[in-house]
Amino acid sequence: DQQVKQNSPSLSVQEGRISILNCDYTNSMFDYFLWYKKYPAEGPTFLISISSIKDKNEDGRFTVFLNKSAKHLSLHIVPSQPGDSAVYFCAASAGNQFYFGTGTSLTVIP
Amino acid sequence: DTAVSQTPKYLVTQMGNDKSIKCEQNLGHDTMYWYKQDSKKFLKIMFSYNNKELIINETVPNRFSPKSPDKAHLNLHINSLELGDSAVYFCASSQESSLNIQYFGAGTRLSVL
Repeated sequence: DQQVKQNSPSLSVQEGRISILNCDYTNSMFDYFLWYKKYPAEGPTFLISISSIKDKNEDGRFTVFLNKSAKHLSLHIVPSQPGDSAVYFCAASAGNQFYFGTGTSLTVIP
Repeated sequence: DTAVSQTPKYLVTQMGNDKSIKCEQNLGHDTMYWYKQDSKKFLKIMFSYNNKELIINETVPNRFSPKSPDKAHLNLHINSLELGDSAVYFCASSQESSLNIQYFGAGTRLSVL
């Protein structure tokens, strides 16, 4: 029951360019969406979130877009920096239920 | 000071053994979780627990049991370990008023031989 999907396992971007990470979901009952960032040998760290009543949330270089009709969200990082290289997990929640995608490994090339 | 700490970091054991993984959080959170990340990188919630309610993912075998001696600790006990239990287990915590934002430990890599 893979309710949250990240279809791109990896992404490479040049430093200074925009990174776009995508996520699709199937459950229309999800009311909150989050992105987590994970470095090797560490746990995921919360990055940014968006409520289902919004379509955009911005925090510095990070912006999350939500398209409810398409059941799609994306994370934009601009400008990308080498320190952004990590695995990014998309997550969605409905009440006490949490679902994570399988992650996208982002490499920012200096 | 690590916010959510879990021990051990690595655990190698034989099939059939019983093992525990400990988790402690010093954030004052009232809800704690256990997640399993399998070889396909799926990160799945196993349990969420606060002092009022234990919510169990129905796919979790009853060989797995969470034990909470107090609000700051949620340990994971696993009986009769099987090969398929090999995975990375993450503990997390959150404030009940903000359940969605969870703070994770660094993970415990369990290998069952």
